[in-house]
Amino acid sequence: GAGVSQSPSNKVTEKGKDVELRCDPISGHTALYWYRQSLGQGLEFLIYFQGNSAPDKSGLPSDRFSAERTGGSVSTLTIQRTQQEDSAVYLCASSSNLGRGGRETQYFGPGTRLLVL
Amino acid sequence: GDSVTQMEGPVTLSEEAFLTINCTYTATGYPSLFWYVQYPGEGLQLLLKATKADDKGSNKGFEATYRKETTSFHLEKGSVQVSDSAVYFCALYSGGSNYKLTFGKGTLLTVNP
Repeated sequence: GAGVSQSPSNKVTEKGKDVELRCDPISGHTALYWYRQSLGQGLEFLIYFQGNSAPDKSGLPSDRFSAERTGGSVSTLTIQRTQQEDSAVYLCASSSNLGRGGRETQYFGPGTRLLVL
Repeated sequence: GDSVTQMEGPVTLSEEAFLTINCTYTATGYPSLFWYVQYPGEGLQLLLKATKADDKGSNKGFEATYRKETTSFHLEKGSVQVSDSAVYFCALYSGGSNYKLTFGKGTLLTVNP
């Protein structure tokens, strides 16, 4: 596609339920990132995928959060047993691996706004 | 660790006013610096970037100069428009293996006609 797409755009769930958020990166981009944007906060890095390498999960806030990337393209972020503090906008970004300048320039999707009641 | 501090908003200006949004950073080495913009209901868009000291990034009338001596990357525009109303984020990349960006908290700009 022309840009990074994410679905759903909005998700309302009840505390304790599991949710899955989806990201389709720009075609040909090998790097994919998840960030979280909480009210009044900046963007918080969650996880990074590069090709078929093991992901960097250093930003995941707890073991309730996990992500996978199938076939080096689409990614799913899963939050298990959601809590109210998980309410945020979850942003996905992708970048190419064409040199340092390419990889560091990230293109963002519109985000998924998650509300946990 | 890396950090970005940008002026807190909201900033409210009249159309054609001069805009400055301050951004300072703390990082190891020589980071690349970015300004992203988030229009209402949309995702973040890269506005401009600079990869080394004294570089000036520019786009859509916005400019920012990488000042290593003051560790700053202030965003400026000479004459803002109503359509510039958005949230602006300053960010840096300092070369970590995960290529993550470190963001400031964002500054909401509202431009009134």
